[in-house]
Amino acid sequence: AQTVTQSQPEMSVQEAETVTLSCTYDTSESDYYLFWYKQPPSRQMILVIRQEAYKQQNATENRFSVNFQKAAKSFSLKISDSQLGDAAMYFCAYRSGGGATNKLIFGTGTLLAVQP
Amino acid sequence: DAGITQSPRHKVTETGTPVTLRCHQTENHRYMYWYRQDPGHGLRLIHYSYGVKDTDKGEVSDGYSVSRSKTEDFLLTLESATSSQTSVYFCATGQGAPNEKLFFGSGTQLSVL
Repeated sequence: AQTVTQSQPEMSVQEAETVTLSCTYDTSESDYYLFWYKQPPSRQMILVIRQEAYKQQNATENRFSVNFQKAAKSFSLKISDSQLGDAAMYFCAYRSGGGATNKLIFGTGTLLAVQP
Repeated sequence: DAGITQSPRHKVTETGTPVTLRCHQTENHRYMYWYRQDPGHGLRLIHYSYGVKDTDKGEVSDGYSVSRSKTEDFLLTLESATSSQTSVYFCATGQGAPNEKLFFGSGTQLSVL
């Protein structure tokens, strides 16, 4: 079975600085997808960024980028120029490549605090 | 965002009582999911649906049942609530594309006393 591990329960960053959130996963599959979701205090789940395993190029969305190391099964999220609105719980998630059902496997989350 | 409505938003109930949570979508998405969120566990899949009357179990389905009689509604029932089912419950929907964004509701905070 696939597992997703987020080893940092809490992180803190100064406003305008850069922070990296770690995520590792375990799978025997070669085809899969990885996601980072953000959950602010409102509880809303917001997709931050996504990565297809077959793509070697790291995904980027504005200030958010990933470092996808397929051999190491690592999928870290880098937030540049951190803003107060980035404060949230961040979840890493895995999705098997087969089928149409998006059954996501989530990590336990990293709570990010942004200091002014 | 997408029209995903969960009701109720909060509920307090007693052990042994039945509870039904509702998820309503206006997006005509084929797939619907129920997750529970607990500290130290992230979100875990309870049940999902791939069409009207088509449902299947997820990772933590014991003690839960679901029904989907219409595309837009997906019900989660706790037949006899237990304290271990105290959690925040999220509904999510999607079309089924592999890398798609799932649309989540705002969650239901359920407390079983």
